[in-house]
Amino acid sequence: SQTIHQWPATLVQPVGSPLSLECTVEGTSNPNLYWYRQAAGRGLQLLFYSVGIGQISSEVPQNLSASRPQDRQFILSSKKLLLSDSGFYLCAWNAGADTQYFGPGTRLTVL
Amino acid sequence: KQEVTQIPAALSVPEGENLVLNCSFTDSAIYNLQWFRQDPGKGLTSLLLIQSSQREQTSGRLNASLDKSSGRSTLYIAASQPGDSATYLCAAPSSGTYKYIFGTGTRLKVLA
Repeated sequence: SQTIHQWPATLVQPVGSPLSLECTVEGTSNPNLYWYRQAAGRGLQLLFYSVGIGQISSEVPQNLSASRPQDRQFILSSKKLLLSDSGFYLCAWNAGADTQYFGPGTRLTVL
Repeated sequence: KQEVTQIPAALSVPEGENLVLNCSFTDSAIYNLQWFRQDPGKGLTSLLLIQSSQREQTSGRLNASLDKSSGRSTLYIAASQPGDSATYLCAAPSSGTYKYIFGTGTRLKVLA
């Protein structure tokens, strides 16, 4: 069966510090991968999605970036965090036009 | 550009009541629509996926319908239970892509 992992579960970082969140999927090949952010009291915002290794589509211009170094690994990064980067970050995958499956999320607080 | 709206934003019902959650989308050229559940502080759990060729899907006490022509989907929950308390989100794809646009959700509270 397929599983999706995200880490860390929680993170507290100072403004201006770097960020690296990792997401890995097991039990499937060539998944579509997604990064979403959910700010407090707001909806789910798509940040990046990828349909293959090295193929990244950015949805929101900001100080975040994403990379997909391996087929089932998706990394969200920032060189310098802003206060507005605080939120709940969710990774998801699906196969083609099939159901999306979400990871447990990372709660990021930028102070 | 796909936009997804969910009404109501919050709903409180007594246990045992049947209820309907609504989802509207602006671009009807969708290949499917998904309903999810989110518990506080947790990731999303997939409930139902309706393909564009289907009119409804059922799983246990849940039934989701899809009317592409009117740009609407509903999630029907039968005999609600306190354990159904959560936020329910629907998501529709943006035309011609694998990008999903989410509604802001309906926060459901079922009172014992």
